[in-house]
Amino acid sequence: DADVTQTPRNRITKTGKRIMLECSQTKGHDRMYWYRQDPGLGLRLIYYSFDVKDINKGEISDGYSVSRQAQAKFSLSLESAIPNQTALYFCATSDFWTPKEQFFGPGTRLTVL
Amino acid sequence: GQQVMQIPQYQHVQEGEDFTTYCNSSTTLSNIQWYKQRPGGHPVFLIQLVKSGEVKKQKRLTFQFGEAKKNSSLHITATQTTDVGTYFCAGSEGLQDMRFGAGTRLTVKP
Repeated sequence: DADVTQTPRNRITKTGKRIMLECSQTKGHDRMYWYRQDPGLGLRLIYYSFDVKDINKGEISDGYSVSRQAQAKFSLSLESAIPNQTALYFCATSDFWTPKEQFFGPGTRLTVL
Repeated sequence: GQQVMQIPQYQHVQEGEDFTTYCNSSTTLSNIQWYKQRPGGHPVFLIQLVKSGEVKKQKRLTFQFGEAKKNSSLHITATQTTDVGTYFCAGSEGLQDMRFGAGTRLTVKP
């Protein structure tokens, strides 16, 4: 959906570097999520936020941090990237009334060398 | 913790054949969602099932939620090349969580 944008779309970095992935949405949703996708593993939740003051760890939060700068912006940081964080990262949003109907961004393909 | 298993991992069919993917949970779910991801694309929400034994249809797609709310299936009748992609189920035990299965990748030969 064009309503959920992610930057950058592709990134190659080296082990130990700090990386930030950004997500913006114009859907007016309160809830935002970060997932990573690995082949054969589906989507796994990293962090989620129900509003600007609410941040929650997901299934695989170790090695990641997030910031909810505004209702429309949710960024994911890798403080010190490692090769096994190479994956496809998706941001998603949903509203309060239909939280399981999530709208995904186009994804960021991250490669850590 | 909650585990959501999805089978098969891959399915290759001839156009016009039917296709079914199955989702099984180790725990009782409160609801289940289905998403589709086209090659190179992002997941797109298809449907949510909430009630025990629920069956919903969207054109050639039929979704079922088991009586015990521990399994679900997606059946596509007479596949078309536009059905190509990976189909994910995502199960929830409560209000907040949603655990995705590994997906079934469908390819369709014209």
